[in-house]
Amino acid sequence: DAKTTQPNSMESNEEEPVHLPCNHSTISGTDYIHWYLQLPSQGPEYVIHGLTSNVNNRMASLAIAEDRKSSTLILHRATLRDAAVYYCILSHFFQSGSEKLVFGKGTKLTVNP
Amino acid sequence: EPEVTQTPSHQVTQMGQEVILRCVPISNHLYFYWYRQILGQKVEFLVSFYNNEISEKSEIFDDQFSVERPDGSNFTLKIRSTKLEDSAMYFCASRGARQGNEKLFFGSGTQLSVL
Repeated sequence: DAKTTQPNSMESNEEEPVHLPCNHSTISGTDYIHWYLQLPSQGPEYVIHGLTSNVNNRMASLAIAEDRKSSTLILHRATLRDAAVYYCILSHFFQSGSEKLVFGKGTKLTVNP
Repeated sequence: EPEVTQTPSHQVTQMGQEVILRCVPISNHLYFYWYRQILGQKVEFLVSFYNNEISEKSEIFDDQFSVERPDGSNFTLKIRSTKLEDSAMYFCASRGARQGNEKLFFGSGTQLSVL
């Protein structure tokens, strides 16, 4: 399984932008880059995903390096509710069409008021 | 937004007993999954289910585990004879499209405690 590397923790101040980095040097050409977050005692929750181009949605932006070996999740204005563990994941698809998400330890984001 | 529902939220059982964890995936979704997370550890893939059969499973998913979609709406995970090390949060997830990297919707989980 292709692996991702993230910092264990990051801190931010409320209303400031947050850039969460992820390295995935062994990514293959068909791997999508997904980001999920997890609040305490909750299931993972989808944030964003992309393949090659940068992506924006209402929650965040995803910046993907040209060689695809790294990416950055950008929260434009952190709020206290953004405090969570953020996982950068490469989805591995099987021939059946199903896939598995291989979770790492993620980055625990703390947002200071 | 639609959601995946899991019941019960907490399940306590004695070692060696059978447990069934229940999930109602989002209607019209095609792919169904179970993941688990032991306290303080990573979220781990257990099994994927499509077209009424297991499509992939991890090495964790041994013959003590089984999954079923008995009535077209529920999706269950059965552990035949629970062990202490089965204690974990179990998450059900579902996805709609066959292709295209659609997102997974996860439930809030069932906390299983084996005593």
